[in-house]
Amino acid sequence: EIVLTQSPGTLSLSPGERATLSCRASQSLRNSYLAWYQQKPGQAPRLLIYGASNRATDIPDRFSGSGSGTDFTLTINRLEPEDFAVYYCQQYNGSPPTFGLGTKVDIK
Amino acid sequence: QITLKESGPTLVKPTQTLTLTCTFSGFSLSRSGEGVGWIRQAPGKALEWLALIYWDDDKRYSPFLNNRLTVTKDTSKNQVVLTLTNMEPVDTATYYCAHSYRSGYLYDYWGQGTLVTVSS
Repeated sequence: EIVLTQSPGTLSLSPGERATLSCRASQSLRNSYLAWYQQKPGQAPRLLIYGASNRATDIPDRFSGSGSGTDFTLTINRLEPEDFAVYYCQQYNGSPPTFGLGTKVDIK
Repeated sequence: QITLKESGPTLVKPTQTLTLTCTFSGFSLSRSGEGVGWIRQAPGKALEWLALIYWDDDKRYSPFLNNRLTVTKDTSKNQVVLTLTNMEPVDTATYYCAHSYRSGYLYDYWGQGTLVTVSS
């Protein structure tokens, strides 16, 4: 099983600031099979990024992903009020797919 | 437009079997590359992958649930059914079904989820 470690656990920022979220895998991810999801309270996760750096359909370009191997980053430029949520990384390198514990981005 | 919706009991007793149905639209599970996965989330916790069924009826299960899971599909009804036997309080969670295409473990569309509580 590939373990994903997300940091920080909570990120307190103001609207307009940049958020940088980290996800580290316990082993290298072939083909950068790493995704990021956003989840708001009472809602299902929403796919933001796949393949480490590809935005999913209709995702604003203030969201970007980067990284390879074991270290990955989600960057949210100019935080909008609707961006305050929990973000999960997920590896889909193989079975079983696994998720990180999440980073909560809240309003400072 | 792809949509999915989970349905089933909201309350089950310990030792009972949970049966959840995912009814979907906007894609066909008979088309090559399509898949439906199940993921759950205990209250306040992270996401946990459970199972996946592919268009060709190939199936994958979480190795951590001790063979308690079964997933089946009914292509004519656009439904996928998940069963989880011997339910325990720790299985209390919101259960989601989700769509995948070509990569069975990457989920681009999710259902709204259904909360299942295990309690006597």
